[in-house]
Amino acid sequence: QVQLQESGPGLVKPSETLSLTCAVSGYSISSGYYWDWIRQPPGKGLEWIGSIYHTGSTYYNPSLKSRVTISLDTSKNQFSLKLSSVTATDSAVYYCARLNADTSGSHLDYWGQGTLVAVSS
Amino acid sequence: DIQMTQSPSSLSASVGDRVTITCRASQSISSYLNWYQQRPGKAPKLLIYAASRLQSGVPSRFSGSGFGPDFSLTISSLQPEDFATYYCQQSYSTPLTFGGGTKVEIK
Repeated sequence: QVQLQESGPGLVKPSETLSLTCAVSGYSISSGYYWDWIRQPPGKGLEWIGSIYHTGSTYYNPSLKSRVTISLDTSKNQFSLKLSSVTATDSAVYYCARLNADTSGSHLDYWGQGTLVAVSS
Repeated sequence: DIQMTQSPSSLSASVGDRVTITCRASQSISSYLNWYQQRPGKAPKLLIYAASRLQSGVPSRFSGSGFGPDFSLTISSLQPEDFATYYCQQSYSTPLTFGGGTKVEIK
């Protein structure tokens, strides 16, 4: 059974960098699939942040591309999100998820429980 | 970006009711459409992928249909655990985008 678990600071100061890690168990991230980050501001909808393929190729939402870095750490079987120059509008629950892609499209089939990050001084 | 529009944004229904939620894409997306359920305080859960394929373990009362820009999610007989918010999501192109959600509440 694939499981994902987010971790990282729950409070980040404005203008600083938000850093989160997603630990994956039950599957080796170097073996396949895309590994994604999605966020959800309190009381609002879902926003896709970006994706990293098991080979290391990355795909980012253009609305965040200038501030986002997603990376893999295959030795620890985890992947990470860095979002720079944060403001209050970046406050959200951040989810990591596995993106299962095939000829029928792609879908997010396994999700972490989410971690709330507040941006405040 | 492809815009996804769901309707209604909320609805009230009773246990046993048949419920249908619709989702429209701003352009044709073939069958590249997924549906998720999100209960309060929980992560989204995949229900339907590729417009009509039921994810493993999801009850058969959930079904999806549609093609191109117009899709629907139907719950044939609403159960107490189905009261949640439902999101559609397109995978036709990046950035992946979600609908605004439909909250299903108890009447």
